[in-house]
Amino acid sequence: DGGITQSPKYLFRKEGQNVTLSCEQNLNHDAMYWYRQDPGQGLRLIYYSQIVNDFQKGDIAEGYSVSREKKESFPLTVTSAQKNPTAFYLCASRRDRSNQPQHFGDGTRLSIL
Amino acid sequence: AQSVTQPDIHITVSEGASLELRCNYSYGATPYLFWYVQSPGQGLQLLLKYFSGDTLVQGIKGFEAEFKRSQSSFNLRKPSVHWSDAAEYFCAVGVSNKFYFGSGTKLNVKP
Repeated sequence: DGGITQSPKYLFRKEGQNVTLSCEQNLNHDAMYWYRQDPGQGLRLIYYSQIVNDFQKGDIAEGYSVSREKKESFPLTVTSAQKNPTAFYLCASRRDRSNQPQHFGDGTRLSIL
Repeated sequence: AQSVTQPDIHITVSEGASLELRCNYSYGATPYLFWYVQSPGQGLQLLLKYFSGDTLVQGIKGFEAEFKRSQSSFNLRKPSVHWSDAAEYFCAVGVSNKFYFGSGTKLNVKP
């Protein structure tokens, strides 16, 4: 079945470390997104990409980086510059048509040791 | 700036009772509107969407939503709630390939 796979499900980071969250989709979707979810705040957009080798900052991009070398993959790196990285991270993808909804992965929960 | 407001943080209903979750948005034109549901520790699942046409849209799991342009609202309804509907519900607005989410409404269902 087609879908979006996020790994790992749980991730722990030490202070000062960079960590990379994986997001892979086999839906042949053009656009991919990363969101951060904190309790009571809904989803906030970190980065998004509409095409390979191109991506744009969302509302809270500071302390994060992404790459889009392949259509299927959109990994997110949480750098040591992100001072409050503990959160639930969701990846989404969609066909790049104006009325198409997003499809979501099952998320990665990142915690600081 | 676009915004999405879900005024109810928590709602508790009895099993079998009707449900209405409120959503208001702020945007100049009619955006694309969505409702998603999230179980704990999971991703979001699309319940329904509105783009144009009939203002009452049907979704999965017996949910429906009504778009009211004059009130900038897109409220989610279900005639009879089941215990399995307990989850968090998010309203979202799509504008130019970006999506804006409300802060969510947590639904509890009493037996």
